[in-house]
Amino acid sequence: DVKVTQSSRYLVKRTGEKVFLECVQDMDHENMFWYRQDPGLGLRLIYFSYDVKMKEKGDIPEGYSVSREKKERFSLILESASTNQTSMYLCASSSAANTGELFFGEGSRLTVL
Amino acid sequence: GQQVMQIPQYQHVQEGEDFTTYCNSSTTLSNIQWYKQRPGGHPVFLIQLVKSGEVKKQKRLTFQFGEAKKNSSLHITATQTTDVGTYFCAGGAAGNKLTFGGGTRVLVKP
Repeated sequence: DVKVTQSSRYLVKRTGEKVFLECVQDMDHENMFWYRQDPGLGLRLIYFSYDVKMKEKGDIPEGYSVSREKKERFSLILESASTNQTSMYLCASSSAANTGELFFGEGSRLTVL
Repeated sequence: GQQVMQIPQYQHVQEGEDFTTYCNSSTTLSNIQWYKQRPGGHPVFLIQLVKSGEVKKQKRLTFQFGEAKKNSSLHITATQTTDVGTYFCAGGAAGNKLTFGGGTRVLVKP
């Protein structure tokens, strides 16, 4: 089974802190994604990556950056956390060879005080 | 940019009844995917539709892609308590980007 693992299920940070969210997938998928999920808004794409060292902005990239140094790992960085970044963050991966089905991690719930 | 709207946002269903959730895109889609998220869980892929007018069934779930490839629906017959969760549609466009709808949260009354 495909496994997408997110490093932290729950985090509490203070405004202005730097936050790292890590995601690792074990199925050699080319594509990796970071979404945030807020009630009533569905899942909104922050950043995605089709290959190592590559990154592309999604629909709401402001306030975030990403890093993909290895194929299996995709990190989301909040350089200076703000209260409006309190949310559930979901990492996903997909294979370039299949239908585009996304495999999601369990999510990281971030609270910024 | 592309927008995907889902209605209703909430659906209270009596166990055994049928219901439908609808998904509408502001632009023509290359494909549409549906996901289910159980309470406390993460979204899990259900199905993908690609062809205009396509209809696919999975047991009690029927998925349809509109002729113009701008809308889709999910119909569930004889709802069970195991159907509880939030159902998301996600529209695919150029560049393999998926745009998710806001989801329909389904609550089942026994």
